[in-house]
Amino acid sequence: DQQVKQNSPSLSVQEGRISILNCDYTNSMFDYFLWYKKYPAEGPTFLISISSIKDKNEDGRFTVFLNKSAKHLSLHIVPSQPGDSAVYFCAASEPEVRLWFHQGGKLIFGQGTELSVKP
Amino acid sequence: GAVVSQHPSWVICKSGTSVKIECRSLDFQATTMFWYRQFPKQSLMLMATSNEGSKATYEQGVEKDKFLINHASLTLSTLTVTSAHPEDSSFYICSARDPLAGQAYNSPLHFGNGTRLTVT
Repeated sequence: DQQVKQNSPSLSVQEGRISILNCDYTNSMFDYFLWYKKYPAEGPTFLISISSIKDKNEDGRFTVFLNKSAKHLSLHIVPSQPGDSAVYFCAASEPEVRLWFHQGGKLIFGQGTELSVKP
Repeated sequence: GAVVSQHPSWVICKSGTSVKIECRSLDFQATTMFWYRQFPKQSLMLMATSNEGSKATYEQGVEKDKFLINHASLTLSTLTVTSAHPEDSSFYICSARDPLAGQAYNSPLHFGNGTRLTVT
């Protein structure tokens, strides 16, 4: 049962344009969401996160939008740069799991979307 | 952010042997570290939570006797894959939470660079 889904395995965007990466989730208990960027043979690098009390969080070129009613979040990168080319994972966690069982370490990841930004 | 260092970055071993992977927190102390695994083209999955000075807690379906975790100090956790088999070939990644977050459990995890294990 895939609780976090990234339905697009790949995305190709022209440099300077906007990249929009999408993520859907099924568990209504999730209240904290994160985006990670990953290069081959490296660990994921944290990009940006959002709590369920917000619907938008912005950090430089990266903005994450959360639509709780649709159980959907998206990552916008604008303008896209060739160095943004990587696999992007969304992840989610629920409060009870963080507090009592896994001390915040259990993130449920999507399958990833490979972004290619062409010069 | 917090820096997590992992060693080795890749290892090839023969079936039946054991492999140890080290995870270190640099410039901060981590009472808890988390071991993830990623199979090709799949999501990262939490395997176990490593607790300094006490037993690790394992996710359902992860064999604790096969994946031995030792968190002997506040800066080092090790994962030993015992009697490795080809199906254990995977990308193993450790992580820890940013210490500046304190007890804020809704804070991001920071990951090491991972270890690519290939069992022949």
